[in-house]
Amino acid sequence: EAGVAQSPRYKIIEKRQSVAFWCNPISGHATLYWYQQILGQGPKLLIQFQNNGVVDDSQLPKDRFSAERLKGVDSTLKIQPAKLEDSAVYLCASRGLAASYEQYFGPGTRLTVT
Amino acid sequence: SQQGEEDPQALSIQEGENATMNCSYKTSINNLQWYRQNSGRGLVHLILIRSNEREKHSGRLRVTLDTSKKSSSLLITASRAADTASYFCGTSGSRLTFGEGTQLTVNP
Repeated sequence: EAGVAQSPRYKIIEKRQSVAFWCNPISGHATLYWYQQILGQGPKLLIQFQNNGVVDDSQLPKDRFSAERLKGVDSTLKIQPAKLEDSAVYLCASRGLAASYEQYFGPGTRLTVT
Repeated sequence: SQQGEEDPQALSIQEGENATMNCSYKTSINNLQWYRQNSGRGLVHLILIRSNEREKHSGRLRVTLDTSKKSSSLLITASRAADTASYFCGTSGSRLTFGEGTQLTVNP
């Protein structure tokens, strides 16, 4: 089965610019996650979707970050405007409806804000 | 702050040796998962242990869980150079929360 796809893989922008990341989860996976991973740290959950509804966005900086999951499949994460501290890898993960708690991660998008 | 905390932060061993990593957490959990991350890649699930289990094996991996001490350990036996990666524990309460990871280097 195909894995979680993310694009772009790398992005360099200047502060105050906008950026968007795209994620295509594993087919049939109802739950989708976006994580932020700063260099040297573990992933931090930004937002969790169940189908196209938000389950948990308590750690999403809503003044600059937004995410959507139209039709319960693909998802986009946007940052507007970006700050230097947003430099990180943004990971998308998905999980099926089965009892397994295992999350499947994409390769991530490395964002550098200059 | 992150709930899971791995220790040590870094571990360097020779091929064939065993590697042990520890994870501590603060609040009640439903399960605890271990993931591996190779440089520049996403995380890969290794093993899950439920809160009512004490030990679990998968190939060269052995995981233990002590809920009274709120800690878990991951043992990789007969390590290989390909095991070089960062290892994270993720604790599942209402959300999966990761620690900062252990960087394992296996020298050939």
